[in-house]
Amino acid sequence: AQKITQTQPGMFVQEKEAVTLDCTYDTSDQSYGLFWYKQPSSGEMIFLIYQGSYDEQNATEGRYSLNFQKARKSANLVISASQLGDSAMYFCAMRDGNSGNTPLVFGKGTRLSVIA
Amino acid sequence: DAGVIQSPRHEVTEMGQEVTLRCKPISGHDYLFWYRQTMMRGLELLIYFNNNVPIDDSGMPEDRFSAKMPNASFSTLKIQPSEPRDSAVYFCASSLRPTPGNTIYFGEGSWLTVV
Repeated sequence: AQKITQTQPGMFVQEKEAVTLDCTYDTSDQSYGLFWYKQPSSGEMIFLIYQGSYDEQNATEGRYSLNFQKARKSANLVISASQLGDSAMYFCAMRDGNSGNTPLVFGKGTRLSVIA
Repeated sequence: DAGVIQSPRHEVTEMGQEVTLRCKPISGHDYLFWYRQTMMRGLELLIYFNNNVPIDDSGMPEDRFSAKMPNASFSTLKIQPSEPRDSAVYFCASSLRPTPGNTIYFGEGSWLTVV
């Protein structure tokens, strides 16, 4: 069974600083995908970034990058140059590819607060 | 392009009443998912469909919950009768076939309060 662990219930970061949100996962599959979503206070789930298990390079999307360490089964999200608008819940999720029909499994989330 | 569209955005209902949540997936997506989000349990998958057929409904909490997808562009999640513990945000999401890289896109959620 898949499992996603986010050990940081809450994080604070100073505006313009970088922050790392931790995510570890557990799967016996070789093919899987890792996702990060942002949920602002308005409630919608916004897709941020994706990393495939076979991708050799860490994914990047603007200020977001994913520190993927396959041997350690970690997929940490790095947000550079934090902005006040980055304050939100962040969810790590995984989808495996070997079983065919699989939805996303989510971690419990990390609440990020950006301080001016 | 239009994203996943859910209605209603907010609903307050009395215990015992029937609640129907609606979802229009992104055109061309053949997978549709219903998730529920609560403070205690986080995001839980309730049920998902492939080509309008339910694939896995093991997350549906009990017989009071039912979901249908009569066509590729519409799905409903019904709770009858509703109870206060059903209060949550219900998300509908859709995606292309589930290779690992196909992102699941979420609607804005339906915020349900049962009093």
